[in-house]
Amino acid sequence: DAGVIQSPRHEVTEMGQEVTLRCKPISGHNSLFWYRQTMMRGLELLIYFNNNVPIDDSGMPEDRFSAKMPNASFSTLKIQPSEPRDSAVYFCASSFGPSGRLFGPGTRLTVL
Amino acid sequence: GESVGLHLPTLSVQEGDNSIINCAYSNSASDYFIWYKQESGKGPQFIIDIRSNMDKRQGQRVTVLLNKTVKHLSLQIAATQPGDSAVYFCAESTLLEYGNKLVFGAGTILRVKS
Repeated sequence: DAGVIQSPRHEVTEMGQEVTLRCKPISGHNSLFWYRQTMMRGLELLIYFNNNVPIDDSGMPEDRFSAKMPNASFSTLKIQPSEPRDSAVYFCASSFGPSGRLFGPGTRLTVL
Repeated sequence: GESVGLHLPTLSVQEGDNSIINCAYSNSASDYFIWYKQESGKGPQFIIDIRSNMDKRQGQRVTVLLNKTVKHLSLQIAATQPGDSAVYFCAESTLLEYGNKLVFGAGTILRVKS
C-alpha cells in the first residue's frame, strides 16, 4: 500500500479563494481524520469520519470549513472563503479500529 | 501584533548515546498511548504504542515506559543516530462512545550531534 495519499502537497492561494484538499486513506481503514498543524497551536483534530460518516466535527474552526467523505477511498476538506490565518499544514490520517493513526505527507497551505 | 509560537523543549544528544524523551499525559482514563516521530516536511510517523495494562514495551532500538501512577510516558532511543533527529510527539487515546479520541502533546525536538 502506498500509504495515505494527499493532494496537492503545496497550495498557495489568495484570500477569499476556495481551497480544496484531498485525501485517499489506506485501503481497508475505516476511520479517517483531518488535522491541522501550526506553530501556534500544534496538531489539532478538525474532523473524524468512521465508515464514511462524520462522527466528531467539533474541531472544525468555523463554517468556512467543510469536509466530505463520499466513499471509503476519498475525502475532501474545503475552505471557502480562505483567510491568511488558515495558513497551516493540513494532514489526513487513517486507521482501522482503535489503533494508531497513519498520517499522510500533508498539504502545506499558504493564503496570501 | 507579534505572534507567539509553541516553545518546544529540545533534547540534544551525542550520536551513539541513548535518548530519553518524556511526556506527561492528562487523562487517567486514557487506555492507549502512541509515540510519533515527525521529520521536517513530513507527516507524523508511528513509532511504537503501548496499552494501559502494560508498563513497558520494546521495539527496535526504542522502548516505551508507562507510569500510570504519575501519568508519565517516556520514549527511550538506544544508540541515537543522526536520522533520529526530529520532533517526537506522544499521544493519549481515550475510548469514547463513538471511537477513540487521540490527544497529542506539544512535542519534543531531538537534535543529534555527530
